[in-house]
Amino acid sequence: GENVEQHPSTLSVQEGDSAVIKCTYSDSASNYFPWYKQELGKRPQLIIDIRSNVGEKKDQRIAVTLNKTAKHFSLHITETQPEDSAVYFCAANNRDNYGQNFVFGPGTRLSVLP
Amino acid sequence: DTGVSQDPRHKITKRGQNVTFRCDPISEHNRLYWYRQTLGQGPEFLTYFQNEAQLEKSRLLSDRFSAERPKGSFSTLEIQRTEQGDSAMYLCASSLGRTGFGNTIYFGEGSWLTVV
Repeated sequence: GENVEQHPSTLSVQEGDSAVIKCTYSDSASNYFPWYKQELGKRPQLIIDIRSNVGEKKDQRIAVTLNKTAKHFSLHITETQPEDSAVYFCAANNRDNYGQNFVFGPGTRLSVLP
Repeated sequence: DTGVSQDPRHKITKRGQNVTFRCDPISEHNRLYWYRQTLGQGPEFLTYFQNEAQLEKSRLLSDRFSAERPKGSFSTLEIQRTEQGDSAMYLCASSLGRTGFGNTIYFGEGSWLTVV
């Protein structure tokens, strides 16, 4: 089955700086990689996703890159703001059996310091 | 609010008691998932339904856990003879099933379980 690793576990940046979170996955059959943001006590919310037929996707200050050969994908947040502070999870779809569940990374706690 | 809704949001129970959580998915979504999340960890997959059929179960889902989705709409997750290790947030999610690439899943707010 799929295994997802995520680094770093915590990240502190100054407001306005960029933040990068990296994930690796083990199953080359995985083809969909979403990123979720979770604020304390709240639901994980999808912020961006990427499918294996593209290498990069951008949405305003957020971008995701995918390297299928190396089996890693990264989240980039530019011009960080205090409201970006949260825990971020990467995920990969598990192609075992019906292949519709997701394996999540352990999360990165991002703190944006004013 | 047309998102995924879960009930109850918080449950405190004594060890050995049974608890049941309910999830109402986004109305047009035919796939429904249950995940468990403990503090400092990412969500862990428990089980998945397509319509009323339970298609996949994790090894995490011991025989004390049972999930149903009788009419392909709402789902229930029951935990029998609760143990302290069951304390976690139980997240429900749903998606619109399409073939090919994985489908975006949308989470509910979760049901917090504390076993004392």
